[in-house]
Amino acid sequence: DAGITQSPRYKITETGRQVTLMCHQTWSHSYMFWYRQDLGHGLRLIYYSAAADITDKGEVPDGYVVSRSKTENFPLTLESATRSQTSVYFCASTVVGATLWDPDTQYFGPGTRLTVL
Amino acid sequence: DQQVKQNSPSLSVQEGRISILNCDYTNSMFDYFLWYKKYPAEGPTFLISISSIKDKNEDGRFTVFLNKSAKHLSLHIVPSQPGDSAVYFCAAIEFGNEKLTFGTGTRLTIIP
Repeated sequence: DAGITQSPRYKITETGRQVTLMCHQTWSHSYMFWYRQDLGHGLRLIYYSAAADITDKGEVPDGYVVSRSKTENFPLTLESATRSQTSVYFCASTVVGATLWDPDTQYFGPGTRLTVL
Repeated sequence: DQQVKQNSPSLSVQEGRISILNCDYTNSMFDYFLWYKKYPAEGPTFLISISSIKDKNEDGRFTVFLNKSAKHLSLHIVPSQPGDSAVYFCAAIEFGNEKLTFGTGTRLTIIP
């Protein structure tokens, strides 16, 4: 299926466990992003990637690790989950734009709801 | 420090009337502004955008207004339809920064 997918859609884990959230896009978009959505904060950028093997920190990167060995995949790992990482996580992708990336064509995945007990 | 603020967490509007969603920002360096719409259990979808050099952009029933001196952005939906019921996020970007800053969202409910 064309588009951007996330797995799992729902995940419950315990404090201290490692969790990996997967993101896959079929458009070969250069840019990919991870956001978290929390009440009272809107969406906040965790990490982003301009291309394979190029990643950079966003607004709230602490406690998260990303990698991008292939253009189409951008996994997000919580190395030791904490309760404060309970959130809804969205992956997004977009093409290169006039400056850096094109905000109008940033497509979001359906989200992963993560609960850390 | 919330650079983009949506002070109304919710708004209810009668079907057929105008919906006006507001957004304020503090960073005068923002170059571009966007509105996203989000349904439950789905990711946000792009709705409309405006460059900081413009004051209005229209797309069908949706119009975005930008008042740079007041650092204020608004989205007008007219006429409002039941399918417009969703959470709306405004967002802003400073080109060269590569980071989109989102507001906290406004839940719009259209009453049939």
